[in-house]
Amino acid sequence: KAGVTQTPRYLIKTRGQQVTLSCSPISGHRSVSWYQQTPGQGLQFLFEYFSETQRNKGNFPGRFSGRQFSNSRSEMNVSTLELGDSALYLCASSLMAGGNTGELFFGEGSRLTVL
Amino acid sequence: AQTVTQSQPEMSVQEAETVTLSCTYDTSESNYYLFWYKQPPSRQMILVIRQEAYKQQNATENRFSVNFQKAAKSFSLKISDSQLGDTAMYFCAFMNVQGGSEKLVFGKGTKLTVNP
Repeated sequence: KAGVTQTPRYLIKTRGQQVTLSCSPISGHRSVSWYQQTPGQGLQFLFEYFSETQRNKGNFPGRFSGRQFSNSRSEMNVSTLELGDSALYLCASSLMAGGNTGELFFGEGSRLTVL
Repeated sequence: AQTVTQSQPEMSVQEAETVTLSCTYDTSESNYYLFWYKQPPSRQMILVIRQEAYKQQNATENRFSVNFQKAAKSFSLKISDSQLGDTAMYFCAFMNVQGGSEKLVFGKGTKLTVNP
């Protein structure tokens, strides 16, 4: 069974540009969540989607957005990039059947560098 | 809001020895999950062990075990017979059971190095 797949794995952007990151969950998983990992702030929750609906959102500016498609794949977008957006963006998926199971499976992440 | 604190930024241990990583958390919730995740260098994060707050018995997974003290809000991870492959960042995390969300609140992590 394939794991959580994130693309692209690495990317470099300049300030002011926008970026879209993609996440394909484990087959059968319906919940996808996103985290930002930086050396200074650690791991911070961005958003969570279940059945194409945003279930929860972290404390990030409106430049950060996401969505989930009917096949459970998810994308997140960051507009007007700032230097501080440089981070490893992690996606996690879970079955989320009948309530939270507490078992999240993480992808390898997309490492974004903003110059 | 929940917070998770890991007071040991870095630790090291000799191969085959035992090491304990500390974690404390703060919450007003009564039902929740606690986790330890492992993130090896440049590799994906994987779940090491999970504890459900309503269970008094400490969780164990092979060489990994926890000491869960609910009243003290403490959740430490013990790694027995440490192996070189245990070298990684270890994150303690909290998840509230209520509300249907699976949001994880992470600690800052402990970098563990296992020396040969």
